[in-house]
Amino acid sequence: EVKLVESGGGLVQPGRSLKLSCAASGFSFNDYWMGWVRQAPGKGLEWIGEINQDSSTINYTPSLKDKFTISRDNAQNTLYLQMSKLGSEDTAIYYCARAGAGSSMDAWGQGASVTVSS
Amino acid sequence: DIQMTQSPASLSASLGETVTIECRASEDIYNGLAWYQQKPGKSPQLLIYNANSLHTGVPSRFSGSGSGTQYSLKINSLQSEDVASYFCQQYYDYPYTFGAGTKLELK
Repeated sequence: EVKLVESGGGLVQPGRSLKLSCAASGFSFNDYWMGWVRQAPGKGLEWIGEINQDSSTINYTPSLKDKFTISRDNAQNTLYLQMSKLGSEDTAIYYCARAGAGSSMDAWGQGASVTVSS
Repeated sequence: DIQMTQSPASLSASLGETVTIECRASEDIYNGLAWYQQKPGKSPQLLIYNANSLHTGVPSRFSGSGSGTQYSLKINSLQSEDVASYFCQQYYDYPYTFGAGTKLELK
């Protein structure tokens, strides 16, 4: 069974940093592109970015490129999202997802909640 | 960036009815389109990829069609478990972008 489990969310003060992790199991992690998507409370989905199998290619949505960094550790079957200079606009549920056919996202984690507030 | 305009924003339908949700891209996305279903409090789930391919395990009452800039998701014979929000996503070009979503409720 394909499983993605995010961790590292919580309450963080404005201007601080936070790193999310996504532990993958049930598939060959190093064969897949992986990505992050977020959803602000009561809002739609926003694509953050994705990383290829050997980390040689990482694509971001332009508005987040200077704040967020995606990385992965294939030995640990783990995907990461490093977030810096956080503001209230970054309050959201953050999902990791596996890129499947085409580049659709065919498996999703349960999400990690991040609240940015003083 | 490619803009995805999804309609309607909300929809109310009866059990057994056929429902159609539309997504229009701001430029040709060459069938690089997926549809997702998100039930309240849950993570999104893939329904359709490459505009018209049914993801494994998805009921056959869901179907996708379209080409160029115009795409649609059709749900035949609406079931109670189909109450959810639906999102389209283009992955033809970076940055990938989502439609604003359609909230489907039972009448």
